[in-house]
Amino acid sequence: DTGVSQDPRHKITKRGQNVTFRCDPISEHNRLYWYRQTLGQGPEFLTYFQNEAQLEKSRLLSDRFSAERPKGSFSTLEIQRTEQGDSAMYLCASRPDQSTDTQYFGPGTRLTVL
Amino acid sequence: LAKTTQPISMDSYEGQEVNITCSHNNIATNDYITWYQQFPSQGPRFIIQGYKTKVTNEVASLFIPADRKSSTLSLPRVSLSDTAVYYCLVGPSYNTDKLIFGTGTRLQVFP
Repeated sequence: DTGVSQDPRHKITKRGQNVTFRCDPISEHNRLYWYRQTLGQGPEFLTYFQNEAQLEKSRLLSDRFSAERPKGSFSTLEIQRTEQGDSAMYLCASRPDQSTDTQYFGPGTRLTVL
Repeated sequence: LAKTTQPISMDSYEGQEVNITCSHNNIATNDYITWYQQFPSQGPRFIIQGYKTKVTNEVASLFIPADRKSSTLSLPRVSLSDTAVYYCLVGPSYNTDKLIFGTGTRLQVFP
């Protein structure tokens, strides 16, 4: 257990539904990251925050995806109008700001879109 | 970013030493070589990072030849719990904000 928690751990939804995932980073970690991992592939970077500011977004983050970190603590990732291609593991990571430390990953939320 | 090539999978038995090689022919001068480990249903975990020659920690050793076009992760005396996917990353140091993972090497350790 790295100290990064994600909820829910599993989510099954029907195509077209909206889903929201939550990530609680390690306390006092200013930076928070979201990645997506499909079966047999490595994680792919989606976006990251420094405190409440979203500093970078990948092209993978289509307009159906939105991530927030309103108070600079926990973060949510919402997917609207889910598609079967959204089925993946969504990983969250955090690390301290201005640190030589690496990113600590949570256990992920596995999304299945039927 | 330098492209990496690793074997898709490897098998080993408990107690053996496992060496996983990663090729990165177009590594840049300021690139580091970093390895991560991922167990099923967990996120990746940093194992080791190096720039040149040899680095060793309590988990693994990393061997990097002088031309830096490849690197080898060495796991001494593996156990069943070392069964995981191992990723070789080439790029900025591990404290970068954007980790770029390849497909990794799936290591299966048998009793």
